[in-house]
Amino acid sequence: AQSVAQPEDQVNVAEGNPLTVKCTYSVSGNPYLFWYVQYPNRGLQFLLKYITGDNLVKGSYGFEAEFNKSQTSFHLKKPSALVSDSALYFCAVRVFSSGSARQLTFGSGTQLTVLP
Amino acid sequence: DAGVIQSPRHEVTEMGQEVTLRCKPISGHDYLFWYRQTMMRGLELLIYFNNNVPIDDSGMPEDRFSAKMPNASFSTLKIQPSEPRDSAVYFCASSLGPAQFFGPGTRLTVL
Repeated sequence: AQSVAQPEDQVNVAEGNPLTVKCTYSVSGNPYLFWYVQYPNRGLQFLLKYITGDNLVKGSYGFEAEFNKSQTSFHLKKPSALVSDSALYFCAVRVFSSGSARQLTFGSGTQLTVLP
Repeated sequence: DAGVIQSPRHEVTEMGQEVTLRCKPISGHDYLFWYRQTMMRGLELLIYFNNNVPIDDSGMPEDRFSAKMPNASFSTLKIQPSEPRDSAVYFCASSLGPAQFFGPGTRLTVL
């Protein structure tokens, strides 16, 4: 079984400050990890993924995430938050599979609000 | 490039009616997923296809729900008969590699 936890339902940060949105995961096997963002009344947009290689992954809109195997975490970060970053953020995981299994398990989401 | 296309964007219907949601995946993608999003349950995977073949439908809530993928460029999710508790946003997503790409969703309201 695979699972994802996003411990914070809501994160508030001042514009210009660094932001972190937390994610921890549980899988049996090597994880594929993802971050998605959802703006109001829109579908989920892919931000970044970790498959293998460097633990620090860079994605769209200046976001990055750090894979930490020992802590089973994949926190999303941005050095300087913008008001336009305010949205709902989802972490997702799936286990590597050489077969046709492709299920992503999503966290419950974290609402990020960047205050001007 | 066109992303995943879903129609309709909004659907309002009465309890007991049949509802059909449609999805056109990104050209060349070999996986297609149907999700449902509600405030109470979050994002749930309903069913997914690989090369038009259903792989896992364990998330389909009950027999009132069915999904088909007659070809690589089209899929439908049907609810018959619909109930108020089916009200949600239904997303279609497609993928070729590890990342899935989502459509804009269909907001379904069953009165």
